[in-house]
Amino acid sequence: EAAVTQSPRNKVAVTGGKVTLSCNQTNNHNNMYWYRQDTGHGLRLIHYSYGAGSTEKGDIPDGYKASRPSQENFSLILELATPSQTSVYFCASGEGTGRALYFGAGTRLSVL
Amino acid sequence: AQSVTQPDARVTVSEGASLQLRCKYSSSGTPYLFWYVQYPRQGLQLLLKYYSGDPVVQGVNGFEAEFSKSNSSFHLRKASVHWSDSAVYFCVLSAGNMGYKLTFGTGTSLLVDP
Repeated sequence: EAAVTQSPRNKVAVTGGKVTLSCNQTNNHNNMYWYRQDTGHGLRLIHYSYGAGSTEKGDIPDGYKASRPSQENFSLILELATPSQTSVYFCASGEGTGRALYFGAGTRLSVL
Repeated sequence: AQSVTQPDARVTVSEGASLQLRCKYSSSGTPYLFWYVQYPRQGLQLLLKYYSGDPVVQGVNGFEAEFSKSNSSFHLRKASVHWSDSAVYFCVLSAGNMGYKLTFGTGTSLLVDP
């Protein structure tokens, strides 16, 4: 039943390595989002998408790329991972501009 | 500019007691408002949403919230809490149909004493 599924749930990466976080949604929502959650900063928007083939920069896009190959899938890519990217990452799909988001369970990433 | 204030970082209540978590917002346009709950090591789950109409909105698990334009508030309430309600609650504001951006409150950590 889970409508937004993230993989992996946990990831340990090395500094300088490439990391890909995946997200799949079955809500048939056009909009998808990537956030990171850190103590003291709350949730911050990294990238978002209005539909297949589109990606937009959020508030903290530096060091991240996004890919939306289909309506259902939205990936977050760290080409050269750094320890400062250690965080919990959440994917979400949205009902429409400004409307409710539905979040996945999160990916806990540690960059050593 | 948009902002959300949750003035209580932590709230402790006894099981069976009533609950109110406070949320104040500031918005230049017509606000859309949400309450989310986050359990440990889980994602944010939508409790309820307000777009327009009846200012009292019902959510899941007996939660409700009341929108007040005059007070710029969207407080969350529950008549009788259960220990399983212990979690972090986020009040969230969007700019309505004017844009994608959501503004999150800092969260209120609720502890229900069994």
